[in-house]
Amino acid sequence: GEDVEQSLFLSVREGDSSVINCTYTDSSSTYLYWYKQEPGAGLQLLTYIFSNMDMKQDQRLTVLLNKKDKHLSLRIADTQTGDSAIYFCAEVTGGGNKLTFGTGTQLKVEL
Amino acid sequence: NAGVTQTPKFRILKIGQSMTLQCAQDMNHNYMYWYRQDPGMGLKLIYYSVGAGITDKGEVPNGYNVSRSTTEDFPLRLELAAPSQTSVYFCASSGQELSYEQYFGPGTRLTVT
Repeated sequence: GEDVEQSLFLSVREGDSSVINCTYTDSSSTYLYWYKQEPGAGLQLLTYIFSNMDMKQDQRLTVLLNKKDKHLSLRIADTQTGDSAIYFCAEVTGGGNKLTFGTGTQLKVEL
Repeated sequence: NAGVTQTPKFRILKIGQSMTLQCAQDMNHNYMYWYRQDPGMGLKLIYYSVGAGITDKGEVPNGYNVSRSTTEDFPLRLELAAPSQTSVYFCASSGQELSYEQYFGPGTRLTVT
């Protein structure tokens, strides 16, 4: 299958903003997601965006969607040590109910 | 609600052994999924089910089998374990929400030696 691409690592200082990027493959995807995985745990949905939106804001999280370039980003404002985790983007594929996940970006927040 | 539960949390198998990874959900979700997660590779879909009695292959089904006799349970069977099946396995479920949100279990870490 085609790959959803993310950079593998990102390191930021506490209090700075983090921006995690994703390039997806299916231009017909209806929803795009950001999941968070803390060490030793399963994935938890952080936020999602419907494909007819350009931006979605949810407290410290801002999702930007550029459908022309198939580019999705997640901005975390005022990044805290508790934000250290692996972040996965995902897109709906195969007509719904199946997701294709990116490779994950490990975010490290330093003091 | 317990959500999605998986057992065991950890397991070490010898090459050629068999085992079943258990998954259960108490949210009355129709859809259930099995993924494997390898370092730097994201999650790959092994099998999925759209309801009791219906299962289908995902991206990486070779070496695995599933069954779905009830809405709640979706066990994953490894018949002849191979070192390539060393991975972390996640079960997930989703309901009828328009957003297709998937809820994940805590995972099973499997090592085949």
